Amino acid sequence: GNSVTQMEGPVTLSEEAFLTINCTYTATGYPSLFWYVQYPGEGLQLLLKATKADDKGSNKGFEATYRKETTSFHLEKGSVQVSDSAVYFCALSVRSNFGNEKLTFGTGTRLTIIP
Amino acid sequence: NAGVTQTPKFRVLKTGQSMTLLCAQDMNHEYMYWYRQDPGMGLRLIHYSVGEGTTAKGEVPDGYNVSRLKKQNFLLGLESAAPSQTSVYFCASSYVLSGGETQYFGPGTRLLVL
Repeated sequence: GNSVTQMEGPVTLSEEAFLTINCTYTATGYPSLFWYVQYPGEGLQLLLKATKADDKGSNKGFEATYRKETTSFHLEKGSVQVSDSAVYFCALSVRSNFGNEKLTFGTGTRLTIIP
Repeated sequence: NAGVTQTPKFRVLKTGQSMTLLCAQDMNHEYMYWYRQDPGMGLRLIHYSVGEGTTAKGEVPDGYNVSRLKKQNFLLGLESAAPSQTSVYFCASSYVLSGGETQYFGPGTRLLVL
């Protein structure tokens, strides 16, 4: 079956540090890959996505590259801010028999940025 | 444009009680989903719907029922609540695309079953 493995947290960094959150996946076929972010007390929001190998998704200074050879989609940011404190979820989607896409999530990584 | 809304925000139930969680979306999306979020387990799909009048089982459907009588609403029912159903429930919706469609999430319903 499909699965997503992401680095366990919590992760605590100082402001302006470099961030990497690792994510690897197992899937049949050719999944799309996502990073969702959940701020305290809120639902999940799409942060970025990539739909095919070698695509790079980017948003708000975050980047992730779809690496088919290593089945990875690591999230990076060059200089984190306190406002980036949240839980980050890696996810993949594959098309179901009904035509929609079903998401499989990793367990989430809690990130805390200290001033 | 409110996006995806969920009612209620928080509820406490006793074991054996029933309740219905309501999800509404105003984006004319075809697909709707119910997830539960538990510590250390990410989000797991309970049921989903690919259109008005249709529903399908997800990863963890036992103990839940759903209905999609109107395109904009997706109801999640617990007929006889159990402590194992204590969780945060998220609804999501999405539209049809060629691939990599984004799901839009509601703010969540926190349920405590005593």
